[in-house]
Amino acid sequence: AQRVTQPEKLLSVFKGAPVELKCNYSYSGSPELFWYVQYSRQRLQLLLRHISRESIKGFTADLNKGETSFHLKKPFAQEEDSAMYYCALSGGWFGNEKLTFGTGTRLTIIP
Amino acid sequence: DTGVSQDPRHKITKRGQNVTFRCDPISEHNRLYWYRQTLGQGPEFLTYFQNEAQLEKSRLLSDRFSAERPKGSFSTLEIQRTEQGDSAMYLCASRAAGTPLSNEQFFGPGTRLTVL
Repeated sequence: AQRVTQPEKLLSVFKGAPVELKCNYSYSGSPELFWYVQYSRQRLQLLLRHISRESIKGFTADLNKGETSFHLKKPFAQEEDSAMYYCALSGGWFGNEKLTFGTGTRLTIIP
Repeated sequence: DTGVSQDPRHKITKRGQNVTFRCDPISEHNRLYWYRQTLGQGPEFLTYFQNEAQLEKSRLLSDRFSAERPKGSFSTLEIQRTEQGDSAMYLCASRAAGTPLSNEQFFGPGTRLTVL
């Protein structure tokens, strides 16, 4: 079974401080990991995926297969980062198509 | 065509009634997904299509739920004899087939169902 765990439902960080949103997963094969973000009154959208190794809006995430983690990080938080963040997993190119989401973390940046 | 669209955006119904939702994917996206999201939870997979073929259904999809994609373009999700537990946001997503780098699913705005 595939599972994604986001231990923090709520996270408040001061503007300019570092941000880390935790994500741990369980999957028997080689998964694809994603971070999706939902800003207020907007639809769910992809922030980044581990396969592309990008930095988007200053966010990065490294897949740690040993710890089965895919934590999202940003060195200096900005007010516009306030949103709901979901970590998600799929079975990859040869695996299961569906996305399995965590329960999400609501990030609030304090001015 | 600027993205995935869903109709209606909100639906209020009485217990026992049938409801149908529509999803229009991004043009030429041959894969279409339905998810359900309840309060405080992340989206949960319900089913997905490749063109008109329904390739997987979750155990969450009871026999009261049926989804179709008759021409491989838009899709409908019908819930028969609605129950209060069906109250949720129903999300549709689509993606193009291809390499893993195109594996991004694009989500619609969702249909919020309230069963009274």
